[in-house]
Amino acid sequence: GQQLNQSPQSMFIQEGEDVSMNCTSSSIFNTWLWYKQDPGEGPVLLIALYKAGELTSNGRLTAQFGITRKDSFLNISASIPSDVGIYFCAGQLGTSYGKLTFGQGTILTVHP
Amino acid sequence: DVKVTQSSRYLVKRTGEKVFLECVQDMDHENMFWYRQDPGLGLRLIYFSYDVKMKEKGDIPEGYSVSREKKERFSLILESASTNQTSMYLCASSPLWGGGRETQYFGPGTRLLVL
Repeated sequence: GQQLNQSPQSMFIQEGEDVSMNCTSSSIFNTWLWYKQDPGEGPVLLIALYKAGELTSNGRLTAQFGITRKDSFLNISASIPSDVGIYFCAGQLGTSYGKLTFGQGTILTVHP
Repeated sequence: DVKVTQSSRYLVKRTGEKVFLECVQDMDHENMFWYRQDPGLGLRLIYFSYDVKMKEKGDIPEGYSVSREKKERFSLILESASTNQTSMYLCASSPLWGGGRETQYFGPGTRLLVL
């Protein structure tokens, strides 16, 4: 099946730094979602984007739905140790089944 | 809060055993999904179901089957477990995707080791 290209694959940063990650696709999506997975747990939704061009914030997190509907980015400002985890982007085409296509994930490590 | 539970957090099985992974959601969602997660590959869809007794293959259905006898319960079955099925298995559910603000909700995952 189709896949999203998510980058970077991993990041090692110092506490307090800002983080940016993105996803691109050759296909158009109607919805972009960003999830975070803590070690040993299931993914939890961080931000959902439902409209091209939409910019949405959730605390220190900001995400945008690209105008072309083929990409999205997630920014984390002033990182803290609990930001550690795997971040996934996911795109949805808009069928009633709600099937998602996931990126490969970005592993974030934050050094205190 | 939406709750998706999975019957086991960790499982160890032997090659050739039949394995059942159970998932239950409490939000009356129509759609349910099974994924496997492997390092560097993200989440890959195995099967999904959009109604009781209805199922559709995902991207990697080989070696797996599913059962949905009740709306709240979706089971993943490994008929004859193999070592390449060692992985993290994630269940998710969602309401019908009707152009609103739906999303998928995940369970905590089952880490399966096949020896």
